[in-house]
Amino acid sequence: YVLTQPPSVSVAPGKTAIITCAGNNIGSKSVHWYQQKPGQAPVLVIYHDSDRPSGIPERFSGSNSGNTATLTISRVEAGDEADYYCQVWDISSNHPLFGGGTKLTVL
Amino acid sequence: QVTLKESGPALVKPTQTLTLTCTFSGFSLSTTGKRVSWIRQPPGKALEWLARIDWADDKFYSTSLKTRLTISKDTSKNQVVLTMTNMDPVDTATYYCARTLDASAFDIWGQGTMVTVSS
Repeated sequence: YVLTQPPSVSVAPGKTAIITCAGNNIGSKSVHWYQQKPGQAPVLVIYHDSDRPSGIPERFSGSNSGNTATLTISRVEAGDEADYYCQVWDISSNHPLFGGGTKLTVL
Repeated sequence: QVTLKESGPALVKPTQTLTLTCTFSGFSLSTTGKRVSWIRQPPGKALEWLARIDWADDKFYSTSLKTRLTISKDTSKNQVVLTMTNMDPVDTATYYCARTLDASAFDIWGQGTMVTVSS
């Protein structure tokens, strides 16, 4: 099973960033999203497709349907600039699987 | 407050065995539903899950690395230990431990420890 993310996404401050994660019938899986800033450990920002851990701003939201899961960041701020990774549980290998990551650049 | 911290050697030689320790606080691995995983990230590359241990001492390994990995826990010390045998330069990476939720999401991560494999 393979998760495909765009290598990079660019967005102006105040606009909406959309980061996709493509996988065969990913809509049937539970998708989690992580934010990783340079030199730091990843932080869980969305789990179970669309749930936000405590402390994560409401600007972060997720959805999942068909062959694409989406992380949406509204009203983007400079501090949102980071790498974002999607992750699922891969039934075929019986273990977690990460996407290749997307670098979000705030223009 | 839940925290995790990795420790281990910064440098290992090829063919040596790597031993990493994850020391955590704020939860107990003897509590039903608690799990800890190891994940690594080569420089400039994506995350890769390695192994997981559960409260019942069930253990799970990456299919591609399972012959080289062993995970164990010391509940009294709040520690999880990962050993990786026959280290190679391609194993150079930052190694993280993370608390793991039931849906395999990693909700709390350690700061990571960088391991370089070089002679």
